[in-house]
Amino acid sequence: AQSVTQPDIHITVSEGASLELRCNYSYGATPYLFWYVQSPGQGLQLLLKYFSGDTLVQGIKGFEAEFKRSQSSFNLRKPSVHWSDAAEYFCAVGDTGGFKTIFGAGTRLFVKA
Amino acid sequence: GAGVSQSPSNKVTEKGKDVELRCDPISGHTALYWYRQRLGQGLEFLIYFQGNSAPDKSGLPSDRFSAERTGESVSTLTIQRTQQEDSAVYLCASSPRDRDDEKLFFGSGTQLSVL
Repeated sequence: AQSVTQPDIHITVSEGASLELRCNYSYGATPYLFWYVQSPGQGLQLLLKYFSGDTLVQGIKGFEAEFKRSQSSFNLRKPSVHWSDAAEYFCAVGDTGGFKTIFGAGTRLFVKA
Repeated sequence: GAGVSQSPSNKVTEKGKDVELRCDPISGHTALYWYRQRLGQGLEFLIYFQGNSAPDKSGLPSDRFSAERTGESVSTLTIQRTQQEDSAVYLCASSPRDRDDEKLFFGSGTQLSVL
């Protein structure tokens, strides 16, 4: 069975600064990898996903993530954070057989002016 | 409908009562999930339905929890003899199970409060 670890419970960055949210997974093969965002009072929205091919994937709102097989990681990055990016970010892993998707505990992003 | 619909949006119940939560997935989506999100916590996997296969119930926390799905349509999550620790948002998601475009579409959730 797959599992996901997001080591940082919360992160605070200044507006305009760069951001990296960490995600490590455990799975026997190359999994499907996702990042979802949950903004206050809103539902979960897909930011980006990786299935195969180019290990650097681009998503919405200027986010990108890089799949590193050797590190079992799928870290989320953004070069310049906006105040509206303050939200909860969830990394998720889907198995390539049945597509069962498991989420990490989430990282809450705070953005300071 | 256009999205995943969950009802009720809010449910307040007394400890020991049974509750039933409903999820209408997106038409044509073969996969359906239930997750639980306690206040300030992540998404806890509960159960996964995929077509006519036996559901994956590995996340159900106790035998007080059960879920059913009729074909590839509506699902209900039932919690019997509710406890205060059951208070949480219960999220339903569906997906097309498409190898080329897989992603989960979430409902707005049911906020369950057990007094």
